[in-house]
Amino acid sequence: AQSVTQLDSHVSVSEGTPVLLRCNYSSSYSPSLFWYVQHPNKGLQLLLKYTSAATLVKGINGFEAEFKKSETSFHLTKPSAHMSDAAEYFCVVRSWTGRRALTFGSGTRLQVQP
Amino acid sequence: NAGVTQTPKFRVLKTGQSMTLLCAQDMNHEYMYWYRQDPGMGLRLIHYSVGEGTTAKGEVPDGYNVSRLKKQNFLLGLESAAPSQTSVYFCASRTSGDSYEQYFGPGTRLTVT
Repeated sequence: AQSVTQLDSHVSVSEGTPVLLRCNYSSSYSPSLFWYVQHPNKGLQLLLKYTSAATLVKGINGFEAEFKKSETSFHLTKPSAHMSDAAEYFCVVRSWTGRRALTFGSGTRLQVQP
Repeated sequence: NAGVTQTPKFRVLKTGQSMTLLCAQDMNHEYMYWYRQDPGMGLRLIHYSVGEGTTAKGEVPDGYNVSRLKKQNFLLGLESAAPSQTSVYFCASRTSGDSYEQYFGPGTRLTVT
């Protein structure tokens, strides 16, 4: 079975400082991994995806994530936080079952302080 | 393109009432999904469809039914609402290719009293 664990339910940073949102995955097969972002009272938007090409994946709004097979991790980073980055972030893994669906982590709420 | 739209945006039901949530997509996607989002639990799959006329159960299907009579629409029904179904419901769609990227609607906030 495939699963993801987001290691922090809340992360607070100051504007202009780096962001690190941690995610570990478990997958029986070569995983496809995603990060989605949800701004308050909005739907989910894809930030970036890893599908076994480059291990460093660049996404929108300056975010990137690095796939590390040895650590089974897919952490999301950004060099400098902006107030508009305040949102909930979900680490997601592709399901290899017949559902052909996605399995979501429990989410990390990012707070950006001025 | 409107993408994925959901109707209604908000709804309050009394226990035992029924309702239908409508999801529509204009991207000609084969696959459609219904999720529910509860605090601290991420999104959980309720039902999904891999094409017009097909539906299948997801992770938490009890108390819900779905229909996909037209390719662009995916309906989620609650026959007898319960307070445990208070949640935010998201619809998503994707192509049948290998990208697995899903496109989400804005959500429906449902409260059952």
